Amino acid sequence: KAGVTQTPRYLIKTRGQQVTLSCSPISGHRSVSWYQQTPGQGLQFLFEYFSETQRNKGNFPGRFSGRQFSNSRSEMNVSTLELGDSALYLCASSFGDLSYNEQFFGPGTRLTVL
Amino acid sequence: DAKTTQPNSMESNEEEPVHLPCNHSTISGTDYIHWYRQLPSQGPEYVIHGLTSNVNNRMASLAIAEDRKSSTLILHRATLRDAAVYYCILSPPNSGGSNYKLTFGKGTLLTVNP
Repeated sequence: KAGVTQTPRYLIKTRGQQVTLSCSPISGHRSVSWYQQTPGQGLQFLFEYFSETQRNKGNFPGRFSGRQFSNSRSEMNVSTLELGDSALYLCASSFGDLSYNEQFFGPGTRLTVL
Repeated sequence: DAKTTQPNSMESNEEEPVHLPCNHSTISGTDYIHWYRQLPSQGPEYVIHGLTSNVNNRMASLAIAEDRKSSTLILHRATLRDAAVYYCILSPPNSGGSNYKLTFGKGTLLTVNP
């Protein structure tokens, strides 16, 4: 069974630009979650999509948005990039409810904002 | 908000048991306790999770205190491949909206000596 894949793996953008990251979950998984990981703040939950609907959302500004397609693939968009958005963005897929299901993480997309 | 506290680092010898503690004194009655580990340049990997009772799987055991204010991840025989950052996570039921409180600890860096 193929794992969670994320594209691109590395990305360099400049302040003010916008970026879209992509995540393909494990086949059969309907839940896709996104996380931001930085040395200072650690791992932080961004949001979760289930069956094309945002089910849970963390405490991030509206510049961070996402969507999920009918095949469960998900995209995350960050608009008006700031230097502080430089981070490793991780995607995770799960069969069902986040609270009691195992999440499978992808390798992440390393975003650098200059 | 529920928080988790973990030691910054721990050290173990190969083939010896390791007990990784996590304090979560403000845990809610419906929060699940998850453990994940992360190797350098990889996404986190699921280890184990539980709600109230102790849990065992092929990777580890999870001991949950009776008052649920702390838990301990037990690796029965540490190997060099177990060297990683271990995260204790509290995962609540779906919030159905904003401010989903998926709480990550800062993680414990486990070093395994040969």
